[in-house]
Amino acid sequence: KQEVTQIPAALSVPEGENLVLNCSFTDSAIYNLQWFRQDPGKGLTSLLLIQSSQREQTSGRLNASLDKSSGRSTLYIAASQPGDSATYLCAPGGYGNKLVFGAGTILRVKS
Amino acid sequence: ETGVTQTPRHLVMGMTNKKSLKCEQHLGHNAMYWYKQSAKKPLELMFVYNFKEQTENNSVPSRFSPECPNSSHLFLHLHTLQPEDSALYLCASSQEGGSGEQFFGPGTRLTVL
Repeated sequence: KQEVTQIPAALSVPEGENLVLNCSFTDSAIYNLQWFRQDPGKGLTSLLLIQSSQREQTSGRLNASLDKSSGRSTLYIAASQPGDSATYLCAPGGYGNKLVFGAGTILRVKS
Repeated sequence: ETGVTQTPRHLVMGMTNKKSLKCEQHLGHNAMYWYKQSAKKPLELMFVYNFKEQTENNSVPSRFSPECPNSSHLFLHLHTLQPEDSALYLCASSQEGGSGEQFFGPGTRLTVL
């Protein structure tokens, strides 16, 4: 059974810092991995999708890497802004595109 | 309307009520999902439909009954729920055979009294 761990559980930083959020998973037999953000009481917004054959994906100030063999992914946020404050969720996708979610990292960026 | 929509956004029901949650996707996808997000627990997959056929039931109690009449609509019928079923219910869709990227709706906040 896939288990996903996200570290740190919470993070509070001043505006402008570069951040690294970590995700580890126990079953490396994945097809892809998605990073999402979730604002309080809201749905999920897809940030990046990395296919199992890829090493990284970039979108604006976000960069996600994937090391499938070691069961790790990182989300790098450059020059953080208060609007980046949210919960960030990592979800590896297995057979049948079934996502398994971590508990998330709660990020607060202070202005 | 664009993306994935869900109605109602909020629902309060008693344990003896019967209600339904609705999800509609406007992305031309052919796979749809129900997820449950309880307080202090990670998101859990409940059901998966591909081309209107159920392909996954993640050991969900029978008081939750999904229905997928076509590739654009997904329902979750609720009956005789328990207070511990109170949660945020999220719907998602993706393109089977595509990148696999899932897009989520805003969710229905359910409270069972």
